Amino acid sequence: DTEVTQTPKHLVMGMTNKKSLKCEQHMGHRAMYWYKQKAKKPPELMFVYSYEKLSINESVPSRFSPECPNSSLLNLHLHALQPEDSALYLCASSQEGGGQAKSYNEQFFGPGTRLTVL
Amino acid sequence: SQQGEEDPQALSIQEGENATMNCSYKTSINNLQWYRQNSGRGLVHLILIRSNEREKHSGRLRVTLDTSKKSSSLLITASRAADTASYFCATERWSSASKIIFGSGTRLSIRP
Repeated sequence: DTEVTQTPKHLVMGMTNKKSLKCEQHMGHRAMYWYKQKAKKPPELMFVYSYEKLSINESVPSRFSPECPNSSLLNLHLHALQPEDSALYLCASSQEGGGQAKSYNEQFFGPGTRLTVL
Repeated sequence: SQQGEEDPQALSIQEGENATMNCSYKTSINNLQWYRQNSGRGLVHLILIRSNEREKHSGRLRVTLDTSKKSSSLLITASRAADTASYFCATERWSSASKIIFGSGTRLSIRP
């Protein structure tokens, strides 16, 4: 199985809602990532988990809260979002990641969750 | 700030022609990768070239890397309609927190 799955595909939420995005991979990868992508822009890294530990947080606002329950799952909890947070949220995984001595290798991306905040 | 800048930002060519996209970056890197993204979907890894490599091939793709000029190019030969997509370079660099940074991307359109 060389697939990264993400649910839901689309999400519309109000600024007071709490929701979660989910990501799953069964390739035995030890690094997982969350990216945010606005229209016609490149993906921007948000968080990196390496061996189930948060290794990079790109100064993301606390209204985004990542969670890695196990090596196959990655969640992104959303609370009190703003309309400018509307974007495509991409999850990715790679065999290894994190640390100065390791190369990230290729990343496998999920199809993304299209988030609209009203 | 963006690590990679790509040019052109948009490219439209006839099916069957070759397409060349360029990527420039600012700091030393460990490797450089190219990804493709079809409209509004996830990215697909195309090729990875390490900093000690100068050229790499994969099917109709040819990637070059010039670390002295801090630049890379992606050549797609004999283009097909299915190659229509956005193409991003991504650099992984040495730092206290190694991470991948995507370039601004090139939108490629193949005319039938």
